[in-house]
Amino acid sequence: AQTVTQSQPEMSVQEAETVTLSCTYDTSESDYYLFWYKQPPSRQMILVIRQEAYKQQNATENRFSVNFQKAAKSFSLKISDSQLGDAAMYFCAYRSAYQMNYGGSQGNLIFGKGTKLSVKP
Amino acid sequence: ETGVTQSPTHLIKTRGQQVTLRCSSQSGHNTVSWYQQALGQGPQFIFQYYREEENGRGNFPPRFSGLQFPNYSSELNVNALELDDSALYLCASSFRGRDYANTGELFFGEGSRLTVL
Repeated sequence: AQTVTQSQPEMSVQEAETVTLSCTYDTSESDYYLFWYKQPPSRQMILVIRQEAYKQQNATENRFSVNFQKAAKSFSLKISDSQLGDAAMYFCAYRSAYQMNYGGSQGNLIFGKGTKLSVKP
Repeated sequence: ETGVTQSPTHLIKTRGQQVTLRCSSQSGHNTVSWYQQALGQGPQFIFQYYREEENGRGNFPPRFSGLQFPNYSSELNVNALELDDSALYLCASSFRGRDYANTGELFFGEGSRLTVL
C-alpha cells in the first residue's frame, strides 16, 4: 500500500522569504501523480501544484515549485516570496496513475498528515 | 460556473443516530468522491461514485454508504454513528471521460463538520 509522510507538523516563514515543505512517499508503482493541496481555515482544499511521475522536469506554478526526486521518493514544495495569504495547512497527496487511467477509483488520493504553515508579517 | 457545495456545514448528532450529508458537484463534473478528515489528520478516501454507481472504496465499514443522482449530486449516509465518526467530511468532484483518461483535478467543497456526542 502507498503511504505519504510529512515530517514537519508546523513551519514558520517570514513574509517575503522562502520556505520548503517536505514530503516523502512510498510506492511500488512507477507511474503516479503527486500533488500539493492547501487548506486554509475556510476548510476547502485547493490544488497548489501537480507533478506527473513520468516527467523529469519539476513543476512550477508562479511562486510555487517542487523538487521531485523519484529515486528518493521525495516531493518537496518551495514557496517563494511568501505572503500572508499563504498561511494554511498544506497536504502532500499521491494518486496511482493506473487507478486514474484504467477505470479504477479516480478519486482515491492518499494524503499525508499535513504541515501547518504560519507566515509572520 | 458553480463550485462544489456541501450541506450542512455543521451538525451535531448523538451516538447511534444516522446522518446524511449532501454534495452538489461542480458544473460539468460527473464523478464525486467523499473523504473523512479527522482533527489533525489528512483526509482519508471513503468512496467514489461515477454514473450513479460506487466505483472504488477505502477502508470504511458498510455503515458508510452513498448515492449519486442523475444530476451528479451525491449523498453520504452514515448509520449507527460512533464517537470516532466526528470529523470534517469533504466532497470532491471531477470529470471522467468514457475512455477513463486522466480528465483533471479534484475540486473540493468546504466540507461538513460532524460532531458525534
